[in-house]
Amino acid sequence: DAKTTQPPSMDCAEGRAANLPCNHSTISGNEYVYWYRQIHSQGPQYIIHGLKNNETNEMASLIITEDRKSSTLILPHATLRDTAVYYCIVTDAGGTSYGKLTFGQGTILTVHP
Amino acid sequence: GAVVSQHPSRVICKSGTSVKIECRSLDFQATTMFWYRQFPKQSLMLMATSNEGSKATYEQGVEKDKFLINHASLTLSTLTVTSAHPEDSSFYICSAHGDAETQYFGPGTRLLVL
Repeated sequence: DAKTTQPPSMDCAEGRAANLPCNHSTISGNEYVYWYRQIHSQGPQYIIHGLKNNETNEMASLIITEDRKSSTLILPHATLRDTAVYYCIVTDAGGTSYGKLTFGQGTILTVHP
Repeated sequence: GAVVSQHPSRVICKSGTSVKIECRSLDFQATTMFWYRQFPKQSLMLMATSNEGSKATYEQGVEKDKFLINHASLTLSTLTVTSAHPEDSSFYICSAHGDAETQYFGPGTRLLVL
């Protein structure tokens, strides 16, 4: 699986958009970009994933650059409950690494009032 | 999204005893489930892949005789920590694919070995 690089921490004001970057310059053509988050003492929560097109769901938007070497997770209106560790993971969902999610250190997002 | 449950949510045991943790997929069937471990202030580490009806596949460095995995049905996988020691104290998390592309995680089980 391609390695990802994320900033260790970020701050965001409540109500503002939180933009979390992720670099995955060695991503291969069949690898997806996944985002999960982990609130303290809980299991990771799936947020969104994509292959090459931008994606949006009720939680967030995922913007993937045209060369697919980086992506940005956007939480449009951050709340205090969005404070968590956010993990960007690249994997070939149905390929040889099926199910093997490699978690890095992630980004600690702190949303403040 | 798909729901994965774990039981118990936390357990305290004495050193040398065995502890069983259950992982259930509540609204879907899972032929494959995964077990992760997370130590304080660290990220999740995959321990093993649990396969329904067959032996589990363990990651390098994980002792298969210490961490027994049984996947007897399409909705249940169990992890038994045998002869637990204080260094086994950790947060154990399971997951399963709710669909072909997305993996969903349980709430985790916190194990404390005294």
